[in-house]
Amino acid sequence: DAGITQSPRHKVTETGTPVTLRCHQTENHRYMYWYRQDPGHGLRLIHYSYGVKDTDKGEVSDGYSVSRSKTEDFLLTLESATSSQTSVYFCAISESTDRGRGGAFFGQGTRLTVV
Amino acid sequence: KNEVEQSPQNLTAQEGEFITINCSYSVGISALHWLQQHPGGGIVSLFMLSSGKKKHGRLIATINIQEKHSSLHITASHPRDSAVYICAVLNFGNEKLTFGTGTRLTIIP
Repeated sequence: DAGITQSPRHKVTETGTPVTLRCHQTENHRYMYWYRQDPGHGLRLIHYSYGVKDTDKGEVSDGYSVSRSKTEDFLLTLESATSSQTSVYFCAISESTDRGRGGAFFGQGTRLTVV
Repeated sequence: KNEVEQSPQNLTAQEGEFITINCSYSVGISALHWLQQHPGGGIVSLFMLSSGKKKHGRLIATINIQEKHSSLHITASHPRDSAVYICAVLNFGNEKLTFGTGTRLTIIP
């Protein structure tokens, strides 16, 4: 299995509180992603990173921020959690195809419930 | 933005049947992934393709770059193949992964 772990795996939090999810990789892959998965919507990109301190928004970035201070860690923060952010969050890593790899690997997911 | 469409959205078949799931995308890509997700489970990459065809056990994946289309085939399907199958494309340049909405496959014994 690829070395990618998410923490926590489950969390229940109250509306209005900040929440941080962590993604840690040991593969030294350049690209890291945060997605949310909701019924009827599939996987939607929240933010992604193409290197340390280099991040960009995805299609559902409102209410989320990210940081990547080290290659191995990509943090997703819900600045003030809302019930609409109840979801399963997946972290993914990949390496670019021009480096001959291009594989993609996924964390086990974090089930977040905002009450 | 790359639009990724999968068909069918849901598929129910009898054990032993030959299964085909299709994926089409709108913009040129550097690679395409076929992913599998079991209920309540994590996501596993089955194949990464940039051209041609790959085979792993009973699974076969093909891609036609000119037509912007890929297919995932399962031969001699089995109930343990029941899962959601997701197509994901790696976009040129920014290397963003864009996902299809998935195909829910149910194999009945």
